[in-house]
Amino acid sequence: EAGVVQSPRYKIIEKKQPVAFWCNPISGHNTLYWYRQNLGQGPELLIRYENEEAVDDSQLPKDRFSAERLKGVDSTLKIQPAELGDSAVYLCASSSVEGHTEAFFGQGTRLTVV
Amino acid sequence: RKEVEQDPGPFNVPEGATVAFNCTYSNSASQSFFWYRQDCRKEPKLLMSVYSSGNEDGRFTAQLNRASQYISLLIRDSKLSDSATYLCVVNDGANNLFFGTGTRLTVIP
Repeated sequence: EAGVVQSPRYKIIEKKQPVAFWCNPISGHNTLYWYRQNLGQGPELLIRYENEEAVDDSQLPKDRFSAERLKGVDSTLKIQPAELGDSAVYLCASSSVEGHTEAFFGQGTRLTVV
Repeated sequence: RKEVEQDPGPFNVPEGATVAFNCTYSNSASQSFFWYRQDCRKEPKLLMSVYSSGNEDGRFTAQLNRASQYISLLIRDSKLSDSATYLCVVNDGANNLFFGTGTRLTVIP
């Protein structure tokens, strides 16, 4: 069974440019998370989806970040415009909503804003 | 106040040593608990779930104390391959997963 797939793996952009990340969760997983991880820190939740509904986006900087999961399967996270402080690893994870199961992570997208 | 607090370490221990990591969580309604392992420049991966009665998987033992809102991970007979960052993770019961900052472990030959 395929795991969580993210693309691209790496992205280098200049500040003020837009950037988008894509995630395809494990088949059948209703819950999808986007996390941001800075060096030396644990992952911090940006947004959580249950199917196509964003049920927790309280930590998403809505002035420049947006996300969608239109069909309740794959998801995109966008930053526009990017700032230097957005440099981090963006991790996507998915889990089954049945029971309190663990989340499975993709390999992440390492973003560098220069 | 952070949802999950962890001692960031680093912990540098010799091979064969026993090492323990601790974690506290703030939400008393939290339902499930996990330890994840993260290698350098890799994604976090589940190491083990933590059950109320405590559970063991080989050299690894996890404990949960709901009254004190405290989780621990014990690693016995440390191996070089155990070197990694260990992340404490709490599900608040509403399917929100909160991560600690991680504790970095280096096992020294």
